[in-house]
Amino acid sequence: EAGVVQSPRYKIIEKKQPVAFWCNPISGHNTLYWYLQNLGQGPELLIRYENEEAVDDSQLPKDRFSAERLKGVDSTLKIQPAELGDSAVYLCASSTGTSGYNEQFFGPGTRLTVL
Amino acid sequence: GNSVTQMEGPVTLSEEAFLTINCTYTATGYPSLFWYVQYPGEGLQLLLKATKADDKGSNKGFEATYRKETTSFHLEKGSVQVSDSAVYFCALSDTITGNQFYFGTGTSLTVIP
Repeated sequence: EAGVVQSPRYKIIEKKQPVAFWCNPISGHNTLYWYLQNLGQGPELLIRYENEEAVDDSQLPKDRFSAERLKGVDSTLKIQPAELGDSAVYLCASSTGTSGYNEQFFGPGTRLTVL
Repeated sequence: GNSVTQMEGPVTLSEEAFLTINCTYTATGYPSLFWYVQYPGEGLQLLLKATKADDKGSNKGFEATYRKETTSFHLEKGSVQVSDSAVYFCALSDTITGNQFYFGTGTSLTVIP
């Protein structure tokens, strides 16, 4: 079974530029998560999708961040414009449900460096 | 609210030493508890989990017991190997409000031959 796929793995941009990250969850996983992981810290939730609906985006900085999950499968996370403080690893995860007992499966992440 | 506090690292051990990484939690409901491991350059992988009090999760020689009375979920391994070198994250999942995970800050483990 293929795991969660993310691309690109690495991205270097200058501040004020836009950037987008892509995630393909495990087949059949209805729930998709985007996390932010700063160096030396644990992942922090940005947004959670149930199929194509964003059910929890309370931690997403909506002035510059946006996300979509068209057709309830792949998802894209965008930052526009990027700031120096956005340098971090962006993780995508998926799970089969939201009961609280369900394991989340993580992708390898996209490491963003903003210069 | 929900939160996880992990033992700070980094931790350096010799091969075959005993490992303990402490984890305590605060939760408003009845959480499930997890340990994830992150090897260099890779994503987080589930190591083990426990979904109710007194459950013991185990995998690859690692164990952790869900202790409600002490709100703890300490990770242990009797004999570590060089290949166990990684960052370990304790996490809880809030079963009341859905599958939102709360992660600790991670503990870096280096095992030397």
